[in-house]
Amino acid sequence: ETGVTQTPRHLVMGMTNKKSLKCEQHLGHNAMYWYKQSAKKPLELMFVYSLEERVENNSVPSRFSPECPNSSHLFLHLHTLQPEDSALYLCASSQDIGGAEQFFGPGTRLTVL
Amino acid sequence: GQQLNQSPQSMFIQEGEDVSMNCTSSSIFNTWLWYKQDPGEGPVLLIALYKAGELTSNGRLTAQFGITRKDSFLNISASIPSDVGIYFCAGKGSNYKLTFGKGTLLTVNP
Repeated sequence: ETGVTQTPRHLVMGMTNKKSLKCEQHLGHNAMYWYKQSAKKPLELMFVYSLEERVENNSVPSRFSPECPNSSHLFLHLHTLQPEDSALYLCASSQDIGGAEQFFGPGTRLTVL
Repeated sequence: GQQLNQSPQSMFIQEGEDVSMNCTSSSIFNTWLWYKQDPGEGPVLLIALYKAGELTSNGRLTAQFGITRKDSFLNISASIPSDVGIYFCAGKGSNYKLTFGKGTLLTVNP
């Protein structure tokens, strides 16, 4: 595997379900990010981790819970989501937290019923 | 917060034509980035610009970092069908955050 991978690629869940999104970067980077991409809106930064420490929690509802067990892996735990949370969730990484060049995974298309 | 205005929102062109799109900001950026996103995929980094006035090429793509540091443009020459997609600009200021434009949807008619 190369670059940034995300699983699953598609996820459909009910409002009462609990699921997790996984991201893995194979680039040796130290910073990882979660973004939400909704139609006709700019990418919204959700969470930022640097060397496994959370640096940013961008006013994201608590029904989204990130986890970064090491610098290569990032998870987004989901529970009690709302239909308006349906979107493409993108993971990205950069060499360091100050690095401008962020490399994105393919995303997880989430649908909340 | 910082906002980027990206234009045009969409473009319909014939294969072989040149394309130009741009982004403007109300704030100064230290870095400008251009990404392309294909349907069902994540954004792919095309070009990164680090210095005001910098002009950088990547194949048929050319991007420039505006002198005022508040704008950037991307040109695609001799477009081909696989250029279809959404092109995003992104700017980075003094902190670690990227500010993204809303994207330009490019359609190329063969």
